[in-house]
Amino acid sequence: NAGVMQNPRHLVRRRGQEARLRCSPMKGHSHVYWYRQLPEEGLKFMVYLQKENIIDESGMPKERFSAEFPKEGPSILRIQQVVRGDSAAYFCASSPRVNTGELFFGEGSRLTVL
Amino acid sequence: QKEVEQNSGPLSVPEGAIASLNCTYSDRGSQSFFWYRQYSGKSPELIMSIYSNGDKEDGRFTAQLNKASQYVSLLIRDSQPSDSATYLCAVNLQTGNQFYFGTGTSLTVIP
Repeated sequence: NAGVMQNPRHLVRRRGQEARLRCSPMKGHSHVYWYRQLPEEGLKFMVYLQKENIIDESGMPKERFSAEFPKEGPSILRIQQVVRGDSAAYFCASSPRVNTGELFFGEGSRLTVL
Repeated sequence: QKEVEQNSGPLSVPEGAIASLNCTYSDRGSQSFFWYRQYSGKSPELIMSIYSNGDKEDGRFTAQLNKASQYVSLLIRDSQPSDSATYLCAVNLQTGNQFYFGTGTSLTVIP
């Protein structure tokens, strides 16, 4: 049973480019969370999705960031016109049920903006 | 006020000692509490969950919850060098679906 798969593991972008981060949840999990982690800081909640629905995006910046979890395929976190401040590790986690707190994390995607 | 607060440490304990990690939360209606361990450069992994007041033991780990004081702690007995990591406290707030994480406490177990 494969775990949460994230790709790419490392991504380098220049300012103004777009970054797309993908997350395939564990088999049987329909709840996906995205978190951002800056060096020496904790995990900051960004967005919670279920299949085809954004349930809570209160942690997402209002501009340039978007997320989706289509009926088929992985969840995608998209960052348009990246800036240096977007450099961080982005973790995806999945859960089999809502509000269980048993989040299973992927290995993360580390974005570096030059 | 942050939703979840932890002492950032670093906390150093000698091998074999008890490590005590603390966490406070702001939402009095929170129902679910979790401890995650994160090794440097790796992803967090769940080590303990607790839902009711009191103690919950799992091997060398004991989670303690006091909802009246809005306080949750993690005790690690017989600490080992392999326990050296950052420990993240997470809380499921009553007000939403997201889980809030503290900034983590860095633990070093000295051989």
